[in-house]
Amino acid sequence: EDKVVQSPLSLVVHEGDTVTLNCSYEVTNFRSLLWYKQEKKAPTFLFMLTSSGIEKKSGRLSSILDKKELFSILNITATQTGDSAVYLCAVNSGGSNYKLTFGKGTLLTVNP
Amino acid sequence: EPEVTQTPSHQVTQMGQEVILRCVPISNHLYFYWYRQILGQKVEFLVSFYNNEISEKSEIFDDQFSVERPDGSNFTLKIRSTKLEDSAMYFCASSNRAGSGYNEQFFGPGTRLTVL
Repeated sequence: EDKVVQSPLSLVVHEGDTVTLNCSYEVTNFRSLLWYKQEKKAPTFLFMLTSSGIEKKSGRLSSILDKKELFSILNITATQTGDSAVYLCAVNSGGSNYKLTFGKGTLLTVNP
Repeated sequence: EPEVTQTPSHQVTQMGQEVILRCVPISNHLYFYWYRQILGQKVEFLVSFYNNEISEKSEIFDDQFSVERPDGSNFTLKIRSTKLEDSAMYFCASSNRAGSGYNEQFFGPGTRLTVL
């Protein structure tokens, strides 16, 4: 069974701090890893990673994948209160072209 | 920016009743999905749909569940006889490609289903 484990489960920081969120996975046939931000409701797509060592960047957010060590990190620099959300990691794997397997998420709280 | 929409945002029903949750995927997308999230738990895959048929379904997606694309825009999830444990947030998602891992799925805002 595919497994996606995120850590920490929750994190409280002050505005301006830099945070690193972790996602490790055990899957049968890795295809891609995706990061989503979930505020009140819908997960909002952030990044999709398929290759090791290539950083994806969008503003203050960046992410990288290590396919040898089976993990990914999501970095957020100069955090703002609007970054407060649950960050979800999901993996597309195995014989499935379709299913995403999600981790439990990291709840990030950014205090002013 | 195109987005996935879902209706209703909240549905309350009695146990044993049928419910239909509706989704309008992004217009040029070809692959459609339903996921659910029970309060406090992980997002779980239910079913994927392509070319007017189910591509894959999870163990959760039993005979009580069905999906349909009744016209060119809507994608529906029907639960025939709801149980208390069906109470969850149901997310619809769509993507314009699948295979080889290139499967960015875009999610709708969800329908919160409450079964009493």
